[in-house]
Amino acid sequence: DGGITQSPKYLFRKEGQNVTLSCEQNLNHDAMYWYRQDPGQGLRLIYYSQIVNDFQKGDIAEGYSVSREKKESFPLTVTSAQKNPTAFYLCASSRYEGSQPQHFGDGTRLSIL
Amino acid sequence: AQKVTQAQTEISVVEKEDVTLDCVYETRDTTYYLFWYKQPPSGELVFLIRRNSFDEQNEISGRYSWNFQKSTSSFNFTITASQVVDSAVYFCALSEAMDSGGSNYKLTFGKGTLLTVNP
Repeated sequence: DGGITQSPKYLFRKEGQNVTLSCEQNLNHDAMYWYRQDPGQGLRLIYYSQIVNDFQKGDIAEGYSVSREKKESFPLTVTSAQKNPTAFYLCASSRYEGSQPQHFGDGTRLSIL
Repeated sequence: AQKVTQAQTEISVVEKEDVTLDCVYETRDTTYYLFWYKQPPSGELVFLIRRNSFDEQNEISGRYSWNFQKSTSSFNFTITASQVVDSAVYFCALSEAMDSGGSNYKLTFGKGTLLTVNP
């Protein structure tokens, strides 16, 4: 079945450490997105990519980095510059047109040790 | 800037009751898209419906129905005869073009409404 796979499901970060969240999709979607969700809040856009080797900052990109070397993959690195990384991270993908619904992965919950 | 408001933070009902989740949006564009997503306790977001700004017809899908009114900038979601499995957080979202070319869209989410259906 086609879908979006995020790993790991739970991740712990030590102070000063960079961690990378994986997102893979086999839906043949061009666009991919990373969102952050905090308790009682909606989703906020971190980064998005409409095409391979290109990506754009969202509303809260500071302290995060991404790459898009393959159509299927859009990993997110939470750097040590992100001072409050504890959150639920969701990856999504969609067909190129923005009118199309985004399909979401199961999420990664990141916590600080 | 676009904005989505879900004024109801939490709703609790008893099974078989009808429940309406409110969504009010703000946008300056004439072309936009509205979505509802369901987030069960497992965490993933499940797409429920998309509506474009030119189609104000209400839609019904089983126990779910949606009422889109441009005059009041609202896109409300009603669950009829609610069931325990409907318990989840429901998000309303607005998709709007980020540039004049219309190739990059931004999806803005409301803060969500936690629906609890008790047996």
